[in-house]
Amino acid sequence: QVQLVESGGGVVQPGRSLRLSCAASGFNSSDYVMHWVRQAPGKGLEWLAVISYDGTKAFYTESLNGRFTISRDSSKNVVFLQMNSLRPDDTAIYYCAREGGAPWGLGTLVTVSS
Amino acid sequence: QSGLIQSPSASGTPGQTVTISCSRPTSNLGGGYFYWYQQFPGTAPKLLVFAHNRRPSGVPDRFSGSNSATSASLTISGLRSEDEAIYYCSTWDDSQAGRVEFGGGTKLTVL
Repeated sequence: QVQLVESGGGVVQPGRSLRLSCAASGFNSSDYVMHWVRQAPGKGLEWLAVISYDGTKAFYTESLNGRFTISRDSSKNVVFLQMNSLRPDDTAIYYCAREGGAPWGLGTLVTVSS
Repeated sequence: QSGLIQSPSASGTPGQTVTISCSRPTSNLGGGYFYWYQQFPGTAPKLLVFAHNRRPSGVPDRFSGSNSATSASLTISGLRSEDEAIYYCSTWDDSQAGRVEFGGGTKLTVL
């Protein structure tokens, strides 16, 4: 079964860092472009980042201003999102998604609060 | 980077046909195919339509998509109470420099 499972969310203080993981199963994630998307409470969907098949190229939404980094470990079939200098407005459910618009994981909640 | 534009709300009665629209700024005509998602409270978005008008397996043919270069529509025929959800349009550019854009979502109420 093709599936994505995000993990690594939690409560973190402003200014701290967090690394999210997206574990793929049922397919080889290194055959696909992979994305991260987030959804703040009560808000719409916001695309964050994309990484190429081989991990050599990554692109981000401009508003992140270099605070987040997407990467992948093909040997473990995992995609990561390193989030630095977190702010309260980064509070959201973070989803990973495969190219072609699906599947998505169930998401992991990140809460940035002191 | 301009987002996609959706009306915030739509409504219909059971059995009706409802159309939800999405427009793309002309500055973003190279933004890839249109996709449509359905989201219920507390759940992840579910893909309904991709590549303008194709449906993943398991999505009823009551859901259909159409598009032009600058806009897209999701049509739901035979509206049911369980269709009450938020619907998002999106464009997916899966080139290796690909970006994704989302509309603000349309809350569909089944009266």
